[in-house]
Order: sequence, then structure tokens, then C-alpha cells
Amino acid sequence: AQKITQTQPGMFVQEKEAVTLDCTYDTSDQSYGLFWYKQPSSGEMIFLIYQGSYDEQNATEGRYSLNFQKARKSANLVISASQLGDSAMYFCAMREGGGSNYQLIWGAGTKLIIKP
Amino acid sequence: DGGITQSPKYLFRKEGQNVTLSCEQNLNHDAMYWYRQDPGQGLRLIYYSQIVNDFQKGDIAEGYSVSREKKESFPLTVTSAQKNPTAFYLCASSIPRRPSTNEKLFFGSGTQLSVL
Repeated sequence: AQKITQTQPGMFVQEKEAVTLDCTYDTSDQSYGLFWYKQPSSGEMIFLIYQGSYDEQNATEGRYSLNFQKARKSANLVISASQLGDSAMYFCAMREGGGSNYQLIWGAGTKLIIKP
Repeated sequence: DGGITQSPKYLFRKEGQNVTLSCEQNLNHDAMYWYRQDPGQGLRLIYYSQIVNDFQKGDIAEGYSVSREKKESFPLTVTSAQKNPTAFYLCASSIPRRPSTNEKLFFGSGTQLSVL
């Protein structure tokens, strides 16, 4: 079974609109961390935001926020006021804390294209 | 500027040839990683090292080898035993010697390997 599922292979969004990228995860661990990374066409993976399983507040980093719904096992990334430079691949990833080697498990990614 | 440098950006391999991908970091990070990225898939872990002169196999280590003789350097060799080496290879590093759920990875800009 997939541990990280990103159901949107691609999305087109109008500039300045808000964007929600979906991510659902599967784990039986109580302690885990969820990450979002951005990969522009240059290839480098850029860290965007982190949410810990015990964090009570949703994480925010500038225009990025993480809509963390623990009971539903979802960790959607929200980008407010999208910009042309937001066009990229976006990856959700999880690190489990119990009985594992702590390695990141990655989703297949969502390609986001911002239209002017 | 601190960061991770991968070279070359593009690499071509002939049948039966071994090739080595370079990864150097000046972030003073203890841990280093090699990932493989195929189109439409998430990143898959090849090898990782949490300390000099020690490394562990990841999920897809067959056909690859690594060394960690210096803290700054973690080269990856794609051997002739890897029958499908065409992919994008990403090197990453992180701070802690002991892993944790909130450990953030820093990435290089990648090497695209193709078979001639």
C-alpha cells in the first residue's frame, strides 16, 4: 500500500489564486513528521514546510501553510496568492519515528502550473 | 555560500561502464544521502551515510556503490550491474548524526544520467 498519496498529477491555477495540493498518508506510528518540498525545473529540491504529528497548530511559512487533519491522515499544502514562480513539482514526504530507520517516504508529486 | 554541489549536471554512460557522480557539501552536515528520481515517481533512497567511513543501503542499492572517506564528500558509483541507470540522481545532506522525525534534508541540483 502507498504510504504517501498525492492524487493530483497536475494542476493549472490562475495567478494570484490560492492553491491546495493534496497529500494523504498512511502510518501506524504515533510519532511522525510530514514535509513538503518544491522542485523547480532546475532540479533542486527546496524545503517548504514541516508538520510534526504532535503539533497542535497547523504549520505556516510565509505564503505556505499546511492543512493538517490527523484523523483523516491528510496534510494538504496551501499556497496563498500564487505567483508565476510557484510553477514547479511539489512533493509530500513523511518520516516515521517508531521502529524504522527514519528515512523519508515520498509521494509521486504534483506538477503545478501557474497561468498568467 | 554553503550548499551541496553535484557534478556533472549531465552524464552519459556506455554499456558495461562504471560512472561516478560527485557530491560535495560545505554545510558541515553529518548525514548524506543519494536518491534516484524517475519520471512520475517519488524519490527512492539508494544509500545513506550518517558518519564518515560508514554507510547503509537504502531501498534500491543494487548496482550502486558509495564511499564516505571525508565528511564533505559522498560519491556514488553506478556500476555496470545497474541495468536501468537512466534517471535523475539527487544528493542530500542533513545535520544530525542521530535521526529524528523533524530532520530536514538539503539537496543538490542533481545529475541526469543517460545511457548511450
